Amino acid sequence: AQKITQTQPGMFVQEKEAVTLDCTYDTSDPSYGLFWYKQPSSGEMIFLIYQGSYDQQNATEGRYSLNFQKARKSANLVISASQLGDSAMYFCAMSQSIDTGRRALTFGSGTRLQVQP
Amino acid sequence: DSGVTQTPKHLITATGQRVTLRCSPRSGDLSVYWYQQSLDQGLQFLIQYYNGEERAKGNILERFSAQQFPDLHSELNLSSLELGDSALYFCASSESGLGETQYFGPGTRLLVL
Repeated sequence: AQKITQTQPGMFVQEKEAVTLDCTYDTSDPSYGLFWYKQPSSGEMIFLIYQGSYDQQNATEGRYSLNFQKARKSANLVISASQLGDSAMYFCAMSQSIDTGRRALTFGSGTRLQVQP
Repeated sequence: DSGVTQTPKHLITATGQRVTLRCSPRSGDLSVYWYQQSLDQGLQFLIQYYNGEERAKGNILERFSAQQFPDLHSELNLSSLELGDSALYFCASSESGLGETQYFGPGTRLLVL
């Protein structure tokens, strides 16, 4: 069964510093996708970044990058130059194969990031 | 703004009642997903539709049902509500439902009293 583990319930970072949020996954699927979503206190789920299991290069989207280490089954999110607006809950997710051609997302338990001025 | 809309934003009801949550996907997306976020269970996949047909089922209770209409909007029906059904219900949409990025709506916050 697919599983996502986020071991950091909460993290603090100083404004303008970089922070890494950890995510490990477990799957027997050869083809899968890894996603990070941000959930601010207002509740919406905001898509940040995607990494496919066959992608050779780490994904980047502005200040977000995904440190993908396939052999270690890790997909850590790196936020560079943290801003106060980055304070939120962050979820790692994996596309889960229900059966051939059918997929849904399995989510980790989340990491609450607080950016301090 | 993800382009996915959900109504209502908040819903307060009593145990035993039935409610309907509504979702409109992003323009061009054929697949709709429903997720439940609660404090004790986290984020859980409930059900997926693709172009009007049910495609995959997750941890959806028998008291819950959903459908996707020809105009691609979807409704999630929750019946015989219990206190434990209080949660944030998200709808998400994607182009084809084959593992590409899902974009989430703002959610419907349900409180069962």
